[in-house]
Formats: sequence, C-alpha cells, structure tokens
Amino acid sequence: DTAVSQTPKYLVTQMGNDKSIKCEQNLGHDTMYWYKQDSKKFLKIMFSYNNKELIINETVPNRFSPKSPDKAHLNLHINSLELGDSAVYFCASSPLGVAITGELFFGEGSRLTVL
Amino acid sequence: GENVEQHPSTLSVQEGDSAVIKCTYSDSASNYFPWYKQELGKRPQLIIDIRSNVGEKKDQRIAVTLNKTAKHFSLHITETQPEDSAVYFCAALGNQGGKLIFGQGTELSVKP
Repeated sequence: DTAVSQTPKYLVTQMGNDKSIKCEQNLGHDTMYWYKQDSKKFLKIMFSYNNKELIINETVPNRFSPKSPDKAHLNLHINSLELGDSAVYFCASSPLGVAITGELFFGEGSRLTVL
Repeated sequence: GENVEQHPSTLSVQEGDSAVIKCTYSDSASNYFPWYKQELGKRPQLIIDIRSNVGEKKDQRIAVTLNKTAKHFSLHITETQPEDSAVYFCAALGNQGGKLIFGQGTELSVKP
C-alpha cells in the first residue's frame, strides 16, 4: 500500500494550459503539504492544510490553487502554466499538527514540464 | 522568517571515509531539526532528527549534533558506502506557522 500517492507522475504540457495534480494519503494524518523542487533540487514549501483548513500559504502566484475536499486529499490546480512552473511537485503529510514536530511523509513526486 | 543555509553543496568522498554536512539556521525559536535523504529520482525520506533539548543523536553510522547557541547543526556519516550517495537536506521547524524550511541540499558522492 502506498502511503502518500500522487497522480500523475509525469506531466508534459504547453504554456498557457491549466493542469491539476492529485494527492491522497492513507496514513490518517491531519496535515498535508505541497512542496516544489526546482532544477537545483531546492525544496520550497507552497501550501499546508490541517484537516481541510489552509494553514500555510507561501508567496505563490494566484495561478496556483490548492483544494482539500477532505483530510486525506490535497489537490493542486495550476492555471495559465508558465515555463518557470517546470519542476517536481511533492505532496507530503504529517502525523502531527503543523505547530508540533513530526516526520514528513513524501509522495513520489509529479514531474511537470511546461513547453 | 526562518532561513536555513547548508554547506557544502557537493561532497565527494572515498568509500570508508567520513562525510560531514553543516547547516545554520536563523530563527532561534526553532526546536526541531530533521535530515532527509533523497536518492536520484526518488522521494525525500527522513533519516535522523534532533530536537532542541538534545545536543547529539546517533543511529548506527549516522549522527547529528546541534549547537543551539551558535544555531548550527551537522550530519556526520561514518564508514561511507556507495549506497550513501544521494542528496541530503537539513531542515528546521520554525515557530511561526510550523513551516519546515529546508536547506539547499548537499549532493554526496561516495566513490568505491
């Protein structure tokens, strides 16, 4: 059983398109995250949800909109894709609240390539 | 906000040698410092962590040290093996909003 699963794993699309990445965790965790890993491997937090409530919203363009229908799912929708959006997007979950220490469990990543 | 600096960005060692990766953080209120290992094409995975009430923690060939006064923490890998080759990330949990902030990563290469 995959603990944190993301789909799709690979996504190639044209500039200006809209795309979504889905994430599901079966660990019963309350907190979920989206991280972006650029070509230089830098891992940067984008969003965090705690039990469907948005907790962290970093300086991310409005073209990125997360949605959490329930605490096991956190999806990422990106409008009007730009070349600079090309990256690997990692979903993660944590067993403890955002203000408490806890291990991050990452998904396998979704590699987005914008042409 | 919290800022984490990690050095070196690349590190090459011979099999059997030790490797040390160093990080500094800016938020003195940070209280949790994990280290993640990311193999090529894989997800980051936690390998060891340390909390602010502890100065050192060891798990087999890996150890982490924390100097709260200097706001430094380090990862030590002894008797390195080729399978230790990966990108290693340090991170610090800030006190504002519970964000886990990662360092820039260190690409470790262990040559047989």
